Amino acid sequence: DAGITQSPRHKVTETGTPVTLRCHQTENHRYMYWYRQDPGHGLRLIHYSYGVKDTDKGEVSDGYSVSRSKTEDFLLTLESATSSQTSVYFCAISDGRTSYEQYFGPGTRLTVT
Amino acid sequence: AQSVTQPDIHITVSEGASLELRCNYSYGATPYLFWYVQSPGQGLQLLLKYFSGDTLVQGIKGFEAEFKRSQSSFNLRKPSVHWSDAAEYFCAVGATGNQFYFGTGTSLTVIP
Repeated sequence: DAGITQSPRHKVTETGTPVTLRCHQTENHRYMYWYRQDPGHGLRLIHYSYGVKDTDKGEVSDGYSVSRSKTEDFLLTLESATSSQTSVYFCAISDGRTSYEQYFGPGTRLTVT
Repeated sequence: AQSVTQPDIHITVSEGASLELRCNYSYGATPYLFWYVQSPGQGLQLLLKYFSGDTLVQGIKGFEAEFKRSQSSFNLRKPSVHWSDAAEYFCAVGATGNQFYFGTGTSLTVIP
């Protein structure tokens, strides 16, 4: 399995509080992604990164920001959590050079009360 | 715009029966296509991928998929389903910038 960890794995927080989720990889892959998974919607891309300090928005980026200061770490921040951001968040990585498939982390279940 | 459609939200099959999960995509260029499987409470695991060449691709766990450009389809098949195949299955298309677009998934139930 690809070396991807996510922390925390579970979190309950209150509306209006900031939340940061961390994705850590040991594969030295260039691309990193944050998705959210909701019933009936499959996986939707929030943000992705194509290198250190290089990020771009996905289809559901409103209310989220990201940072990547090192190859191995990709942080997702909810500046002021809302109940609509209750979801399961997955990080994924991709080499993007010799292969294009994405490998997924175990997920973080976030509940905003 | 890129999109993926999985028409079947839920499928139930008997153990030992054959399986076909449907996937249709919309993409302007030659697509990269993928199938992933997700067991409850787990992340997604790559089953197989299509980049180019032979349109019938083999994957892990006895799965295969066939790319049909004329039908914009990439259906997943397995000749004999095992109880452990019960899971959620996602089709995805890879687009520019290494972005993926996922279908909404098909939930598979296997009955003894």
